Amino acid sequence: DAGVIQSPRHEVTEMGQEVTLRCKPISGHDYLFWYRQTMMRGLELLIYFNNNVPIDDSGMPEDRFSAKMPNASFSTLKIQPSEPRDSAVYFCASSFVARSTDTQYFGPGTRLTVL
Amino acid sequence: GENVEQHPSTLSVQEGDSAVIKCTYSDSASNYFPWYKQELGKGPQLIIDIRSNVGEKKDQRIAVTLNKTAKHFSLHITETQPEDSAVYFCAAGGTYKYIFGTGTRLKVLA
Repeated sequence: DAGVIQSPRHEVTEMGQEVTLRCKPISGHDYLFWYRQTMMRGLELLIYFNNNVPIDDSGMPEDRFSAKMPNASFSTLKIQPSEPRDSAVYFCASSFVARSTDTQYFGPGTRLTVL
Repeated sequence: GENVEQHPSTLSVQEGDSAVIKCTYSDSASNYFPWYKQELGKGPQLIIDIRSNVGEKKDQRIAVTLNKTAKHFSLHITETQPEDSAVYFCAAGGTYKYIFGTGTRLKVLA
């Protein structure tokens, strides 16, 4: 099993630019989560999907952030326009709740730097 | 709102000693309590978990205890080794999403 795959691993961009982060969950998993990690705020849940449908996006900080899951094997998190305060590590995680376990498996993360 | 408090924020122990990290949660509906280890530059990795119908669980040098009445749960690492050095996160889960603690940076001194 390849685990959760995220790309890119590192992204450096300038303020105002659009940023797209990508995630491929573990095959067969039915839940997908996007987190943001910073020193100040720790691990924050941004949004999560069940069977490709967004369930709870209350953690999305502002309208500049959007997330999609067009199919069971792919999700994107987009920031437009990006700002320096968006600099953080963004993690994607997936779980298979239908198997009566809700353990979340994390990807390696994308380190975003907005200049 | 729901939150998880984690202590201590940093912990240094001598190799071979034990380490204990404690968490307190606020949401009574929480029924799943995983612990994650995060090494530098990597994503959090599950090391052990416990469900609300169990008071204690052990896996080799790692154990977790849960006191649902007090809403406390703890991670115990015995015979610590240098490779145990990392940041450890607790989480309280229910309804498919977690609330994470703020993390404990564990340093095992050789």
